[in-house]
Amino acid sequence: EAQVTQNPRYLITVTGKKLTVTCSQNMNHEYMSWYRQDPGLGLRQIYYSMNVEVTDKGDVPEGYKVSRKEKRNFPLILESPSPNQTSLYFCASTGGDAGSYEQYFGPGTRLTVT
Amino acid sequence: DAKTTQPPSMDCAEGRAANLPCNHSTISGNEYVYWYRQIHSQGPQYIIHGLKNNETNEMASLIITEDRKSSTLILPHATLRDTAVYYCIVRVVDYGQNFVFGPGTRLSVLP
Repeated sequence: EAQVTQNPRYLITVTGKKLTVTCSQNMNHEYMSWYRQDPGLGLRQIYYSMNVEVTDKGDVPEGYKVSRKEKRNFPLILESPSPNQTSLYFCASTGGDAGSYEQYFGPGTRLTVT
Repeated sequence: DAKTTQPPSMDCAEGRAANLPCNHSTISGNEYVYWYRQIHSQGPQYIIHGLKNNETNEMASLIITEDRKSSTLILPHATLRDTAVYYCIVRVVDYGQNFVFGPGTRLSVLP
């Protein structure tokens, strides 16, 4: 089954404690991205990657890092989390036939930073 | 990418057709119309997309006006599980392009 998986699904942490949210896809997609979703602000892209070792900033990259060492994995790293990073995070991968690119989303990670 | 306008909310009776409109009057010739939905706080789910012609799949139908300035997503027999936020997105088909999600339409299917 084609899917995007994220772990953990829920995380409560304290300010300044480094954390990593993993993302993996089994569809051999080249393009992957991370979004955060906050009430009233919709989905906002944090970082994206067009292929292995190729990453770029999205709309709200401050306070986040990513890496893309292999095609299937795209972890999101918060080196020093702060309360304003409390949010719902989604990983996504994009693929499909030419003229039919679709974005597949993971189930989400709800992060609370106290 | 062209901007889209959707009503913030709609109600639909269970078993009836749900017709969700989307205005995209500035759409360009090479931009597709995509529809996604998000049930509660789950990841958004792809529904359907099209360029000019009407499209149908197992989930829904997409009707695009001849001038392509608006479209309608039709859920033919809405169920309670179709209650969700529905997003209409217009974008060039390029896998490197971001999908920009607006506020969408919150559809409530009522028993």
